[in-house]
Amino acid sequence: GESVGLHLPTLSVQEGDNSIINCAYSNSASDYFIWYKQESGKGPQFIIDIRSNMDKRQGQRVTVLLNKTVKHLSLQIAATQPGDSAVYFCAERRFSSGSARQLTFGSGTQLTVLP
Amino acid sequence: EAQVTQNPRYLITVTGKKLTVTCSQNMNHEYMSWYRQDPGLGLRQIYYSMNVEVTDKGDVPEGYKVSRKEKRNFPLILESPSPNQTSLYFCASSRGTDTQYFGPGTRLTVL
Repeated sequence: GESVGLHLPTLSVQEGDNSIINCAYSNSASDYFIWYKQESGKGPQFIIDIRSNMDKRQGQRVTVLLNKTVKHLSLQIAATQPGDSAVYFCAERRFSSGSARQLTFGSGTQLTVLP
Repeated sequence: EAQVTQNPRYLITVTGKKLTVTCSQNMNHEYMSWYRQDPGLGLRQIYYSMNVEVTDKGDVPEGYKVSRKEKRNFPLILESPSPNQTSLYFCASSRGTDTQYFGPGTRLTVL
């Protein structure tokens, strides 16, 4: 079946370095993608989103890149800080078997920032 | 403060004992949703609601019920909980099916 997946379950980076978290999706009909951050003991928190008619979107210290040719999504975090340590999820919006479009989440990547 | 609240945050119960997890949002969002989160499986949608009195199944609806009698509330009901429903549950709301705002989670253990 179709699913959103992540290339790596864990990622460790040095404080101050840039982080890149990757995500693959398989449904070419998906029109909207979101990155969420989930800290231990908390609910997912919105980071940044991108629509399928865009290739790149920037936020504060974060950039999302969308490559529709290879169905790949990435989240780049600049100057990674200890507070960035968390699990990061990508999610895609696609039509479900019902008529409403829903979000489907990947299994997450654990980012650990090393001092 | 804009938020999604869930109660209880932690619950230990026994097989077959009906329970309800409440969810409330104060952002006047039309869309609300319930997810469960299990290790290695990520977030899976249980049920969602596009508006009052409009609900539909997500990816894993078996064993769950929901209702949407008011716009702000979206309770999750387990009529006869089983151990395989032990999980971390999240409620979320949004204006549409775009950015969803999540509650703090409810950790449920069914013995």
